[in-house]
Amino acid sequence: DAMVIQNPRYQVTQFGKPVTLSCSQTLNHNVMYWYQQKSSQAPKLLFHYYDKDFNNEADTPDNFQSRRPNTSFCFLDIRSPGLGDAAMYLCATSRGGDRGAAGYTFGSGTRLTVV
Amino acid sequence: AQKVTQAQTEISVVEKEDVTLDCVYETRDTTYYLFWYKQPPSGELVFLIRRNSFDEQNEISGRYSWNFQKSTSSFNFTITASQVVDSAVYFCALSEAGYQKVTFGTGTKLQVIP
Repeated sequence: DAMVIQNPRYQVTQFGKPVTLSCSQTLNHNVMYWYQQKSSQAPKLLFHYYDKDFNNEADTPDNFQSRRPNTSFCFLDIRSPGLGDAAMYLCATSRGGDRGAAGYTFGSGTRLTVV
Repeated sequence: AQKVTQAQTEISVVEKEDVTLDCVYETRDTTYYLFWYKQPPSGELVFLIRRNSFDEQNEISGRYSWNFQKSTSSFNFTITASQVVDSAVYFCALSEAGYQKVTFGTGTKLQVIP
């Protein structure tokens, strides 16, 4: 089945130690997104790739970076995780185009713990 | 700018009761999409429905129904005969055409008590 896969499902990292979360998709969608969702809050968009074009949200900290080496994969790099970065990280995809984000397909998320 | 307001933070109902989750949105665009997502305790976001701004027909899917009213900028979600498995956080969301971004409301946590 076509889907969005996030690995790992749970990730524990040490304070200040770089960590990478991965997302892959078999939908061949043009757009891939990374959302951060802290406990009891709405998902917050960090950035998205439209094909190879990177679009950063204005309030996304520099500590967060992303890479999209090809259509299928997108990575979220946290260079120096702090305790405040503990959250669920959600990857999503959409077709893009003039219709905009007419619907997302979400992965199941990676829950990041910082110790 | 797009904005979604879910005024109800938490709702508790007894099983088999009907419950309506409110959603009010703001947008300057005439073409947009509205969504509802369910987030169970396991954390994944489950897509429930998408509505485009030109389709104001109400929709029913099993025990779920949605009432879209452009005049009041509302897109409310009703669960009929609620069940314990309906317990989750429900998010209303909005996307404007041409923008690759979905804005979420703050969510309503629904607890269905057996």
